[in-house]
Amino acid sequence: AAGVIQSPRHLIKEKRETATLKCYPIPRHDTVYWYQQGPGQDPQFLISFYEKMQSDKGSIPDRFSAQQFSDYHSELNMSSLELGDSALYFCASSLGEQGWYEQYFGPGTRLTVT
Amino acid sequence: KQEVTQIPAALSVPEGENLVLNCSFTDSAIYNLQWFRQDPGKGLTSLLLIQSSQREQTSGRLNASLDKSSGRSTLYIAASQPGDSATYLCAARDDKIIFGKGTRLHILP
Repeated sequence: AAGVIQSPRHLIKEKRETATLKCYPIPRHDTVYWYQQGPGQDPQFLISFYEKMQSDKGSIPDRFSAQQFSDYHSELNMSSLELGDSALYFCASSLGEQGWYEQYFGPGTRLTVT
Repeated sequence: KQEVTQIPAALSVPEGENLVLNCSFTDSAIYNLQWFRQDPGKGLTSLLLIQSSQREQTSGRLNASLDKSSGRSTLYIAASQPGDSATYLCAARDDKIIFGKGTRLHILP
C-alpha cells in the first residue's frame, strides 16, 4: 500500500539559509500535518492543512511557512535557519480532518543546521 | 491543555518477560489513543490505534488498552525479544495529536 512520502530524507543547511521540505500524502488523503521532533524530544505539532486551507496551527515559528497544493502535496518552507531547527520533521496524512481519522506518518526528513 | 505522560522513562528487562508500558493523559475528551515505536534516529512506526469507543486492540504480541475515564492506556508486550528494543511513544488525539515523551525499552538477551 502507498505510504506518505517525504523528500528529501536528509538535508544539511547552514545557519541563515532556507530549506524546503516536501510531503506527498497517501492517495485520496486530503489532510496533511507537520511535526517537528528535536533530539531527545517528543514530536511537536506544527501546522495542518485540509483541502488546501490551513486548518490548525501549533508551535510553528514565524520563520516557517507551509502550504498545501492542488494535488494535496504540502511544502514546509523554513527561512533564516537556526541551529535549534535541527530536527526530524514528520509529515502525516489522513482521509479527513476530523479527529477520528487515523494519521499516517511519513519516514521523516532529518534536517541538520550547521 | 492536554498533557500526556509516560512512565517509566526507561525500562530494561530480560528477554522473554512480559511487560507493560503506561501512558496517562489529562483530558479524557479524546478521539483516539495511538502507540508508536521509534528506533534511534528513525521514523514513527504505528503499532496500535484505539478509538475512543474501544477498550483494547491487539496485534500479535502487542495488546493496548484504553480507559478514558481514568485517562490511562497501557501497552502490553508478551514474550519480549531483543528486537523489541526501541522507544515507545503514546499519543492522544483531541483536536491535535499530543505525544508523550516515550519509554526507552531495552530487552536484555
